[in-house]
Amino acid sequence: DAGVIQSPRHEVTEMGQEVTLRCKPISGHNSLFWYRQTMMRGLELLIYFNNNVPIDDSGMPEDRFSAKMPNASFSTLKIQPSEPRDSAVYFCASSPRTGGYTFGSGTRLTVV
Amino acid sequence: SQQGEEDPQALSIQEGENATMNCSYKTSINNLQWYRQNSGRGLVHLILIRSNEREKHSGRLRVTLDTSKKSSSLLITASRAADTASYFCATDEYSGGGADGLTFGKGTHLIIQP
Repeated sequence: DAGVIQSPRHEVTEMGQEVTLRCKPISGHNSLFWYRQTMMRGLELLIYFNNNVPIDDSGMPEDRFSAKMPNASFSTLKIQPSEPRDSAVYFCASSPRTGGYTFGSGTRLTVV
Repeated sequence: SQQGEEDPQALSIQEGENATMNCSYKTSINNLQWYRQNSGRGLVHLILIRSNEREKHSGRLRVTLDTSKKSSSLLITASRAADTASYFCATDEYSGGGADGLTFGKGTHLIIQP
């Protein structure tokens, strides 16, 4: 089991550019979560999916943020256009029906 | 919103001593979990305690939960330099219909001095 796989590990982009973060959950897990971690705000839940369906996106900070889960093995978090205040570490986590969470190693995003 | 609030925000102790971190939360929970995060790395699940449990052990870790006070504590005994990390509590309101996501506190940064 390779765990939750996120890519890229690091991303540096210029303000205004589109950024796409990717996540592959653990096979068989039916829930997927996107979190953002900053020094100021800590870990925040952005959005989560159950069975590929977005359930709660109230944590998404702005319309510039969007997330998709086209199938059970892949999800993306997109920021368009990116801004310097989006700089953070973005974590993906997945969970099976029985509960428990496994986190990916995160994507460190720097917007300059 | 951040539900769990860890206390203290930072803790520095000598190797071999015990480290105690506390967490308070605001709403009803299904379970409470503790995670460790090494600098620049992902979150590692340490231990989960259910709302109907009061104490749980795992190796050098001991977790307590007081639902009447909405608080939990994590004790690391006989600390080691490798325990240096940030520790987060997270509450889970999982209701059986599917996971709802964790609400994290801001963490306690633990430094173990050799």
